[in-house]
Amino acid sequence: NAGVTQTPKFQVLKTGQSMTLQCAQDMNHEYMSWYRQDPGMGLRLIHYSVGAGITDQGEVPNGYNVSRSTTEDFPLRLLSAAPSQTSVYFCASSEDRGNYGYTFGSGTRLTVV
Amino acid sequence: DAKTTQPNSMESNEEEPVHLPCNHSTISGTDYIHWYRQLPSQGPEYVIHGLTSNVNNRMASLAIAEDRKSSTLILHRATLRDAAVYYCILSPYNFNKFYFGSGTKLNVKP
Repeated sequence: NAGVTQTPKFQVLKTGQSMTLQCAQDMNHEYMSWYRQDPGMGLRLIHYSVGAGITDQGEVPNGYNVSRSTTEDFPLRLLSAAPSQTSVYFCASSEDRGNYGYTFGSGTRLTVV
Repeated sequence: DAKTTQPNSMESNEEEPVHLPCNHSTISGTDYIHWYRQLPSQGPEYVIHGLTSNVNNRMASLAIAEDRKSSTLILHRATLRDAAVYYCILSPYNFNKFYFGSGTKLNVKP
């Protein structure tokens, strides 16, 4: 049981490049979310999903796309990377009623130069 | 979305209880109160959550005010491993999204 797996752990992008941050969970959780955390700050919600085929925006969705074709995977796409997107990105998942809360991945540290 | 207010930092002595406060005066009747913590260089970790009644688990206790406008996370015996940023979060009844605030940084002294 691996929990929530995020890849890659580290990434450096040039401004304007695109990339996909991968997130996979093996707990059959319905709810999945993406957050970003800037240095010294709390987490901010980017996008979330309540099940396969269903996604919605959080508080900072601009510049990011998501899709949820399977229960297990919830990739986050950066369309055209900007230095303002330099951050640590966390993926999280939870079972339907959230009795045990969200399980977070270990994060992807992204630097845009 | 309802917001929470927490002190920026708190300090505690090892093996003593710690009470971490959270104000949420605009909480709605269907908002759950969640607590997470984040150790340095790690993702957040679930601690506890509740709706109206006080809750206990192996990690902590959650005391919720009768009017639900505030709550307190109680660590019964702080250890050095409990040094972290603690977030108090409100989420709707369907549990589909969280908004993290800036949290309380807890420092535990030996």
